[in-house]
Amino acid sequence: KAGVTQTPRYLIKTRGQQVTLSCSPISGHRSVSWYQQTPGQGLQFLFEYFSETQRNKGNFPGRFSGRQFSNSRSEMNVSTLELGDSALYLCASSLAVGVGGSNEQFFGPGTRLTVL
Amino acid sequence: DQQVKQNSPSLSVQEGRISILNCDYTNSMFDYFLWYKKYPAEGPTFLISISSIKDKNEDGRFTVFLNKSAKHLSLHIVPSQPGDSAVYFCAASAIRVAGANSKLTFGKGITLSVRP
Repeated sequence: KAGVTQTPRYLIKTRGQQVTLSCSPISGHRSVSWYQQTPGQGLQFLFEYFSETQRNKGNFPGRFSGRQFSNSRSEMNVSTLELGDSALYLCASSLAVGVGGSNEQFFGPGTRLTVL
Repeated sequence: DQQVKQNSPSLSVQEGRISILNCDYTNSMFDYFLWYKKYPAEGPTFLISISSIKDKNEDGRFTVFLNKSAKHLSLHIVPSQPGDSAVYFCAASAIRVAGANSKLTFGKGITLSVRP
């Protein structure tokens, strides 16, 4: 079974630009979560999508948004990029068995975004 | 406020010996805990998890212990191998809380080095 895939793997943008990252979950997984990893803050939860709906959201500004398609693929968008947005953006998928169920999340390799 | 803490940033162990990685949490709502391993330029790989209804879970060389009263968990790797050298993240979630069960809160990671 193929794992979580993310595209692109590397991206360089300049301040003020916007960027879209893509994630394809493991086949059969309906939940997709996004995380930002930086050296200072570690792994921080951005948001989670399930059945094309945002189900959970972390503490990030509105410049960070996402969506999920009917095939469970997800995209995240960052508008008006800032230097501090430079990070590794990780996507994770899970079966999402519901409240009370185990929620092992399986991560993709990430997209390394550099903002100049 | 860091809800999941991995206070030791690094650990060095001789091959064949036991590696013990510690993690503390503060949020009483957390009831499901996971350990991930991460190599550079890759996404985190799921290792092992434990529900709060258990105090121990074992999978091959990896054992996770949970002490709910102390809000502490630890990952034991026995015997340690050079290939175990990586960054290890502890993560927690509140799986019985609707709207929050899909969010993982991560510690900042511990870099494990296993010396041949």
